[in-house]
Amino acid sequence: AQTVTQSQPEMSVQEAETVTLSCTYDTSESNYYLFWYKQPPSRQMILVIRQEAYKQQNATENRFSVNFQKAAKSFSLKISDSQLGDTAMYFCAFMRAGNTPLVFGKGTRLSVIA
Amino acid sequence: DAGVIQSPRHEVTEMGQEVTLRCKPISGHDYLFWYRQTMMRGLELLIYFNNNVPIDDSGMPEDRFSAKMPNASFSTLKIQPSEPRDSAVYFCASSPGPLNSPLHFGNGTRLTVT
Repeated sequence: AQTVTQSQPEMSVQEAETVTLSCTYDTSESNYYLFWYKQPPSRQMILVIRQEAYKQQNATENRFSVNFQKAAKSFSLKISDSQLGDTAMYFCAFMRAGNTPLVFGKGTRLSVIA
Repeated sequence: DAGVIQSPRHEVTEMGQEVTLRCKPISGHDYLFWYRQTMMRGLELLIYFNNNVPIDDSGMPEDRFSAKMPNASFSTLKIQPSEPRDSAVYFCASSPGPLNSPLHFGNGTRLTVT
């Protein structure tokens, strides 16, 4: 079974600074997908970014980018120019190829401080 | 597109009562997932459907939990009888396929069993 580990339960960052959230996963699969979801206090789950394991290039979405290290089974999220609206829980998730369900990490609570 | 719609948003009930949570997936989505979120266990998959057919219900905690999807636009998750340890946020999510499409989440139902 796949597992996803987020080793940082809580983090904080000053507004406009950069922060990196860590995620590691365990799988024997070679074809899979990785995701970061954001859950603000409103409770809504919002897709932030997605990475296909077969792509070597790291995904980027505006201020959000990932550092995908397949051999190390690491998938960190970098948030640049942090904004107050980035305050939320962030979940790393793994999906085995075949539209199998997402497996989530326990989350990292990020606070952006003015 | 109204997104995934869940009702009720909040539910407070007494131990032993029956609880029914409802979900309307995004039209045209073939996959529907029920997740439960608690502080201790994070986001756990309970069950998922493909084209209204349950595919994997191994995450359903016990016989008190049941889920149905009578048609492509509606699903229910029922707990009977409810217990205080069932208190959690229950999320419904849908996915369009093809394979490996990201999940679209509803806003969740916060269940409190006293």
